[in-house]
Amino acid sequence: GAVVSQHPSRVICKSGTSVKIECRSLDFQATTMFWYRQFPKQSLMLMATSNEGSKATYEQGVEKDKFLINHASLTLSTLTVTSAHPEDSSFYICSAAAPGLAGVYEQYFGPGTRLTVT
Amino acid sequence: GENVEQHPSTLSVQEGDSAVIKCTYSDSASNYFPWYKQELGKRPQLIIDIRSNVGEKKDQRIAVTLNKTAKHFSLHITETQPEDSAVYFCAASIVNGNQFYFGTGTSLTVIP
Repeated sequence: GAVVSQHPSRVICKSGTSVKIECRSLDFQATTMFWYRQFPKQSLMLMATSNEGSKATYEQGVEKDKFLINHASLTLSTLTVTSAHPEDSSFYICSAAAPGLAGVYEQYFGPGTRLTVT
Repeated sequence: GENVEQHPSTLSVQEGDSAVIKCTYSDSASNYFPWYKQELGKRPQLIIDIRSNVGEKKDQRIAVTLNKTAKHFSLHITETQPEDSAVYFCAASIVNGNQFYFGTGTSLTVIP
């Protein structure tokens, strides 16, 4: 099956610094990548949708200048949390999607990144 | 846009019993409905999906039913086992579309 990797799996940073999270589709080309944020025992909150080579589409309430998304290739997307604050501490999950059988977009999730801002 | 609602938010069942999770959607254009299972600290995994041209799909102990008219679909797990304990998410999407709309999740606990 399709594999999506995410790096790092855990990161602790100080308030005010920036953190970059990478999402890679290892064995397929992802036309679209999604970035989610998940709080404990809560659902996946879509932050942004990114298509290769174009600007990401951010969901309402998500600050695009704070959460910078770059999708430079069909296998790599990055999320940079700039000037991180403790309230940015969360579990960030990416997913990669590509057309599967009969045009259905199949979505595969990365393992997630636990960000802790101190 | 699409709005997906999921119920219940938590569900506890005895081992061996059945569990049912229900989702409703608002956009009649949605025609692809995947279900994901997320174990604690792990990534969501696709467990079953259904397209709008069928009313039911089954895979061993898991089945999904779809009622297009009422705009609701359900996940059925029979003969539950402790390893079924996880958070389950429904989603709605459009074939050939790349937008997924997730439900709020159901935390299922199977009591041995």
